[in-house]
Amino acid sequence: DAGVIQSPRHEVTEMGQEVTLRCKPISGHNSLFWYRQTMMRGLELLIYFNNNVPIDDSGMPEDRFSAKMPNASFSTLKIQPSEPRDSAVYFCASRRDRVMRNEQFFGPGTRLTVL
Amino acid sequence: EDQVTQSPEALRLQEGESSSLNCSYTVSGLRGLFWYRQDPGKGPEFLFTLYSAGEEKEKERLKATLTKKESFLHITAPKPEDSATYLCAVQRTGYSTLTFGKGTMLLVSP
Repeated sequence: DAGVIQSPRHEVTEMGQEVTLRCKPISGHNSLFWYRQTMMRGLELLIYFNNNVPIDDSGMPEDRFSAKMPNASFSTLKIQPSEPRDSAVYFCASRRDRVMRNEQFFGPGTRLTVL
Repeated sequence: EDQVTQSPEALRLQEGESSSLNCSYTVSGLRGLFWYRQDPGKGPEFLFTLYSAGEEKEKERLKATLTKKESFLHITAPKPEDSATYLCAVQRTGYSTLTFGKGTMLLVSP
């Protein structure tokens, strides 16, 4: 069974450009999470979807960030315009909501570098 | 606000030298405490979930324990392949999201 799939794995762009990160969750999982990881701040939640609906976007840094989940098998995180301080590793995770055993499964991440 | 503090930030062990990693937490009602392992260049990999004080879980050389204020990840006779960053996270009752600590980077030398 394939795990969480993210693309691209690496992205290098220039300040001001639009960046789109993609995620395919594990089939059958109904919750999806976008995280950002940096050395300084660790792993931070950006946004959480449940059944394709955004539930908690309090971690989205500012209006330059937006996320969508048009269906159960695809989500995007967009940054426009990008800034050097957005450089980080972005992870997508998915989960099947259950009473017990509700762990999240992470993708391999996208390393974003904004020059 | 939920808080998770992991210590030490980094730990270097010789192969076979047992030790423990600490995760101290503050949360208004604990739904679950999670341990993950993260290898360089990869996403976090789930290890354990602990739900109540006194609970213990084991996997190979790893054993996780939980009290009302902290969790320990005990590593018995570690091997070089146990080298990784270990992350701890808490989930508050009634919430679906996790708050992560910054992790402990473990290096096991042969």
